[in-house]
Amino acid sequence: ELKVEQNPLFLSMQEGKNYTIYCNYSTTSDRLYWYRQDPGKSLESLFVLLSNGAVKQEGRLMASLDTKARLSTLHITAAVHDLSATYFCAVDLSIPGYGGATNKLIFGTGTLLAVQP
Amino acid sequence: DGGITQSPKYLFRKEGQNVTLSCEQNLNHDAMYWYRQDPGQGLRLIYYSQIVNDFQKGDIAEGYSVSREKKESFPLTVTSAQKNPTAFYLCATKLAEISYNEQFFGPGTRLTVL
Repeated sequence: ELKVEQNPLFLSMQEGKNYTIYCNYSTTSDRLYWYRQDPGKSLESLFVLLSNGAVKQEGRLMASLDTKARLSTLHITAAVHDLSATYFCAVDLSIPGYGGATNKLIFGTGTLLAVQP
Repeated sequence: DGGITQSPKYLFRKEGQNVTLSCEQNLNHDAMYWYRQDPGQGLRLIYYSQIVNDFQKGDIAEGYSVSREKKESFPLTVTSAQKNPTAFYLCATKLAEISYNEQFFGPGTRLTVL
């Protein structure tokens, strides 16, 4: 059974500081996605990582994927209050489906980030 | 105005009742998904559909049913057989032509059992 673990589950940090969220998974996959969720809201796509060594950056967030280590990281640089949210990683898993195969996403439990002024 | 709409936003159900959650999209996406989110947890897949008139069970399908009669619509029925239905339900879509699995999410329906 595929397990997707995020670490830490809760992160309180001060504005201006740097930190990294880790996403470990237990089976082979070379595709991983990061989403953001604000309280009571839906999920917003942040990054799509499609190969080993992929690195994507958007503003103060940078995501990377190491498929050999089965690890993705989400690095926060100089945090600001607006980044406060829950961040989910989701691993892409191939499954039987119509026409042969399809894919489904297995989500981590999320990391609740609170950036304090 | 393209997007994914879910209705209602909030839904209250009495025990023993069936309720249906609506998911509509005008993105022309082929695949549609239903997820359940419990407080402090990630999303779990209930059902998914890759094309019209076809759908597959996800990881937690018991107590739920779906239909896919139109490309634009993928309603989810929460039956009385679902013992703990209180949760946040999210519908997602994906364009099948793309090789990767980025999914786009609707605004969600929060279901509470009274």
